[in-house]
Amino acid sequence: KAGVTQTPRYLIKTRGQQVTLSCSPISGHRSVSWYQQTPGQGLQFLFEYFSETQRNKGNFPGRFSGRQFSNSRSEMNVSTLELGDSALYLCASSLAGYQETQYFGPGTRLLVL
Amino acid sequence: LAKTTQPISMDSYEGQEVNITCSHNNIATNDYITWYQQFPSQGPRFIIQGYKTKVTNEVASLFIPADRKSSTLSLPRVSLSDTAVYYCLVGDAGPGGYNKLIFGAGTRLAVHP
Repeated sequence: KAGVTQTPRYLIKTRGQQVTLSCSPISGHRSVSWYQQTPGQGLQFLFEYFSETQRNKGNFPGRFSGRQFSNSRSEMNVSTLELGDSALYLCASSLAGYQETQYFGPGTRLLVL
Repeated sequence: LAKTTQPISMDSYEGQEVNITCSHNNIATNDYITWYQQFPSQGPRFIIQGYKTKVTNEVASLFIPADRKSSTLSLPRVSLSDTAVYYCLVGDAGPGGYNKLIFGAGTRLAVHP
């Protein structure tokens, strides 16, 4: 079974731009969660999608948004990029998302200049 | 929210057994305990999960006392490739059974030759 895939793997943007990251979960997994990892803040939860609906959300500003498609693939969008948005963005999938093992993708490394 | 506390760093030598203890005093009845391993610039990798007593798989053992307020990840005979950050997480189901992983700072394990 293929693992979680994320595209692109690396991205460079400038302040004020917007970016869209993509995540394809493991086949059959319906829950997709997004996390931001920075050296200063560690791994922080952004939001979780299940069956095309956002089920839970972390403490991030509205510039961070996401969506999930009927095939469970998910996208995350960050608008009006700031320097502090430079991070490794990770997505994780699980079957249903309740107390189940989450499998992480390799991440997308975003650099904002 | 259940919060975890674990040592910031540990050192070991090849061939030794490593035990990393995690405290989670506010663990809820329905929470599971999960450990992840992360290498630099990669997504966390699931190691082991348990609810109570002892769980063992091909890579590690997890010991959970009766009160479940702590847990110990045991890595037998570590090698240099076990050098990584290890995260202890307590499943935060929240209302409605939503899935949201809360990562602490993790334990940075360094294995020396």
